[in-house]
Amino acid sequence: DAGVIQSPRHEVTEMGQEVTLRCKPISGHDYLFWYRQTMMRGLELLIYFNNNVPIDDSGMPEDRFSAKMPNASFSTLKIQPSEPRDSAVYFCASSLGRLDSTDTQYFGPGTRLTVL
Amino acid sequence: SQQGEEDPQALSIQEGENATMNCSYKTSINNLQWYRQNSGRGLVHLILIRSNEREKHSGRLRVTLDTSKKSSSLLITASRAADTASYFCATAAYNQGGKLIFGQGTELSVKP
Repeated sequence: DAGVIQSPRHEVTEMGQEVTLRCKPISGHDYLFWYRQTMMRGLELLIYFNNNVPIDDSGMPEDRFSAKMPNASFSTLKIQPSEPRDSAVYFCASSLGRLDSTDTQYFGPGTRLTVL
Repeated sequence: SQQGEEDPQALSIQEGENATMNCSYKTSINNLQWYRQNSGRGLVHLILIRSNEREKHSGRLRVTLDTSKKSSSLLITASRAADTASYFCATAAYNQGGKLIFGQGTELSVKP
């Protein structure tokens, strides 16, 4: 398996533009997680899905952020409009999600977003 | 509030020395996991210890868990420069709905 795939790896955009980050989880994994990592705030869970359904979006900073999972092999995180404070590395992770299999998460390489 | 808190925040050692990182958490857990993050990369799972286990080994890694103190430690023996990375603990619990709660991480620097 190729692991969790994220695109793009780097994104530079101007304030006010729409940004779409993409993620392909590991095949067969039931859970998908979106995280944001910054020096100031560390690793933050934004939202996660179980079987394509959003379970907890309490970490989404504000209405400018939205996430979808239209099928088991694809998810998007959208920021519209983007702001400089959104600059961060965004990670996608997936897991089998069964506690008896330990909920081990597999992370993608991340998307480094810079908003100018 | 953050479930896992780690100390130290940063640790610098010489190659060949042992490195110990600690993690404390607040509520009952099903298991506790340790992850490594190399600079500019995603997190990678290292080792997991279940709530009914007290110690676990994997290669040069040794993890202990004390549920009475709600704490865990990760020991890396005979460290190498390639161990330089950030290390995170993460907890899983039945009432967390499949998500992990990550600590803030310990930044380990191993000097050759």
